[in-house]
Amino acid sequence: NAGVTQTPKFRVLKTGQSMTLLCAQDMNHEYMYWYRQDPGMGLRLIHYSVGEGTTAKGEVPDGYNVSRLKKQNFLLGLESAAPSQTSVYFCASRQRTGRSYEQYFGPGTRLTVT
Amino acid sequence: GNSVTQMEGPVTLSEEAFLTINCTYTATGYPSLFWYVQYPGEGLQLLLKATKADDKGSNKGFEATYRKETTSFHLEKGSVQVSDSAVYFCALSDPFQGGSEKLVFGKGTKLTVNP
Repeated sequence: NAGVTQTPKFRVLKTGQSMTLLCAQDMNHEYMYWYRQDPGMGLRLIHYSVGEGTTAKGEVPDGYNVSRLKKQNFLLGLESAAPSQTSVYFCASRQRTGRSYEQYFGPGTRLTVT
Repeated sequence: GNSVTQMEGPVTLSEEAFLTINCTYTATGYPSLFWYVQYPGEGLQLLLKATKADDKGSNKGFEATYRKETTSFHLEKGSVQVSDSAVYFCALSDPFQGGSEKLVFGKGTKLTVNP
């Protein structure tokens, strides 16, 4: 099993450009998440999905959109990138049932917006 | 709302020293508590967890006990190694507020262990 994979690993954008980050998991997990990690801020939830075709807003959703057309994939889109979106982005997934609530994380995407 | 407060870092120790990273939480229900670890250049991975009061989670020599009376979940290790250098995150999941599907993270504590 590859677990959770993220594409790309690094990206540099100019202000106003758009891009899509792809997250894929092969564990048949129902729930998927997008976080951003900034120095001194910990991890903040951007959007999440509790199943195929459903998405919900997290703590910092502005400027981002997401889609979950297939159970194994969760896409994060930036329509018009801003320097404030420079960050490291992590995707995570977990199964729906069970009380352990363990989330499995991808390796991250480092995004710089100039 | 739910929140997690961790001791601020960075923490620098010598090899074989004793480690404590403090974590306290605020939650309205009966949360599950977690410690995640992030090694340099990697994503987070679960280190240990506890799902009810007085439970002790343990893994790789690390331990943490769920203390409801003090709303704490402090991480300890008796003898750290250079390979323990990482950022440690305390987190909670509260099924009664915010939904059990979400984790609330602390800001992380960076640990550096010198030989």
